[in-house]
Amino acid sequence: SAVISQKPSRDICQRGTSLTIQCQVDSQVTMMFWYRQQPGQSLTLIATANQGSEATYESGFVIDKFPISRPNLTFSTLTVSNMSPEDSSIYLCSVDPGGASYGYTFGSGTRLTVV
Amino acid sequence: QKEVEQDPGPLSVPEGAIVSLNCTYSNSAFQYFMWYRQYSRKGPELLMYTYSSGNKEDGRFTAQVDKSSKYISLFIRDSQPSDSATYLCAMNGPGAQKLVFGQGTRLTINP
Repeated sequence: SAVISQKPSRDICQRGTSLTIQCQVDSQVTMMFWYRQQPGQSLTLIATANQGSEATYESGFVIDKFPISRPNLTFSTLTVSNMSPEDSSIYLCSVDPGGASYGYTFGSGTRLTVV
Repeated sequence: QKEVEQDPGPLSVPEGAIVSLNCTYSNSAFQYFMWYRQYSRKGPELLMYTYSSGNKEDGRFTAQVDKSSKYISLFIRDSQPSDSATYLCAMNGPGAQKLVFGQGTRLTINP
């Protein structure tokens, strides 16, 4: 299965600033997904990123707040812009590695605290 | 109503017990069902994947899907302290890349 490296693992940021989270995969994948996991909550899909096209955002998430880049088939970034304490959460990237195993692989997550 | 409902627990059982974790769902189009295990400060790790109805066994873990009742289960036999984690169910339908997750059940196995 694919191995995902996600950076940073954690950060503490001032409100009003932005943080860019990086996700590197050890194999080429068509689709990459960005999730948010708020404390004690389940995973909520933010957007789906395909290489060479604009990311598709889920209801409640907008590009101005969460711009995504997908420059190639192994890398993506998610930026959390103009942060407020409500953005404190764990952010996870995920890929569909394909093949018979199905199921999606997740990175270890970025634990973000906004103060 | 959420598409996927999962009791968040917490659930605490003694070592060696059989653990039953469950999810219900409302979307009859769901055909792919997964269980993920998430340790503290880690990303979710795929445990079991099942297509449509039926049972699947992998070591101490058994996944069951009852599509007629829109109900899925994960059983853990001979539970170990290392099984202490949050367990999330997830599912999607044919042609749908988006996974829908349950809230997750926090499980503690006491030595």
